[in-house]
Amino acid sequence: QQQVKQSPQSLIVQKGGISIINCAYENTAFDYFPWYQQFPGKGPALLIAIRPDVSEKKEGRFTISFNKSAKQFSLHIMDSQPGDSATYFCAALYGKLTFGQGTILTVHP
Amino acid sequence: ETGVTQTPRHLVMGMTNKKSLKCEQHLGHNAMYWYKQSAKKPLELMFVYSLEERVENNSVPSRFSPECPNSSHLFLHLHTLQPEDSALYLCASSRGGADTDTQYFGPGTRLTVL
Repeated sequence: QQQVKQSPQSLIVQKGGISIINCAYENTAFDYFPWYQQFPGKGPALLIAIRPDVSEKKEGRFTISFNKSAKQFSLHIMDSQPGDSATYFCAALYGKLTFGQGTILTVHP
Repeated sequence: ETGVTQTPRHLVMGMTNKKSLKCEQHLGHNAMYWYKQSAKKPLELMFVYSLEERVENNSVPSRFSPECPNSSHLFLHLHTLQPEDSALYLCASSRGGADTDTQYFGPGTRLTVL
């Protein structure tokens, strides 16, 4: 019940396209949903986060969509750039952070 | 950088060696964490310290021994490790206590056990 399932494992997008990464959870006690971005040789860094009382949050090209009834949330990267190539982790917080398995995003020029 | 530093960045050790990983945070945070990151697996929380007290130990084998001498420093002492312990070990810190407590990660130590 503490799992967060993330898909896809890897994603290839052309420059300018939309990248979409999905996560699903079971534990309805989770009350905070951050996304982390990790570049090679670096630790994960907080990218954007949402609380379950909001259905969407947008920061620049990054948007989180949250569907509380379906227990799903997703990250959308608009106008994807080669510099967005990284591993993305969703996470859910209830006392402690539970991470998804990660998605390796490659954006081709 | 995030204000969390880790040393060494890379470590190769034999199964009979004893080594330590060091983490230091310069953010004035009260909570520190050790995570294990293996390929194609979610980040695994190992230990949590809050105000220098260990508050969580996620069934980690005793060959991993954490130490938190003060709120800025965190160590992970390693002894008689197994090859399957090879992974990226990440340290993180947070202010502690808030329900939206953001964790700031260090760059990690890439550990290889021969």
